[in-house]
Amino acid sequence: DAGITQSPRYKITETGRQVTLMCHQTWSHSYMFWYRQDLGHGLRLIYYSAAADITDKGEVPDGYVVSRSKTENFPLTLESATRSQTSVYFCASSERGGLYTGELFFGEGSRLTVL
Amino acid sequence: SQELEQSPQSLIVQEGKNLTINCTSSKTLYGLYWYKQKYGEGLIFLMMLQKGGEEKSHEKITAKLDEKKQQSSLHITASQPSHAGIYLCGAVLISNFGNEKLTFGTGTRLTIIP
Repeated sequence: DAGITQSPRYKITETGRQVTLMCHQTWSHSYMFWYRQDLGHGLRLIYYSAAADITDKGEVPDGYVVSRSKTENFPLTLESATRSQTSVYFCASSERGGLYTGELFFGEGSRLTVL
Repeated sequence: SQELEQSPQSLIVQEGKNLTINCTSSKTLYGLYWYKQKYGEGLIFLMMLQKGGEEKSHEKITAKLDEKKQQSSLHITASQPSHAGIYLCGAVLISNFGNEKLTFGTGTRLTIIP
């Protein structure tokens, strides 16, 4: 199916474990983004990517690692999960970036709980 | 402090009433986006405004951009239960380091009561 999909939708893990959230889009959009959504903070950008093999930090990158070996995939890894990383994570994609970003297409979100 | 401030943070409105949500930026706006989020779901694009004074409408939702005030408003006429959800504004802002970043406000939670 066309669109942007995230997996897993729900994940419970323990402090110190490594977790990878997957994001896949079928539009061949150049730009992809990872956001986290927390009460009182809204959506905060973790990392973004302008193209395959090009990634850059967003507002809250500490504790996260990303890669983009293929245009359609943009996995987000928490190398050693902490309780403060309990959140809802959204992946998004767009055709353009910068000042002319245009519409972002969002996945349905991945709810991560770190115990 | 937030670069994009939304007000109010939450709103409870009787079905059929009109309402307005505001989004104010502390920096120059380069495009303003409105999204809606149903509880527990992803974000749905509503509309994008790019020029000062621009106004767009979709069904009963109208958004305006006041570039001078660095502000946008979202107005819903004759609200319905289907309008309930979280409304977020987003904007491309120039960071202190000179690069562009897409920033979102904290959202406005809208509840419609019968």
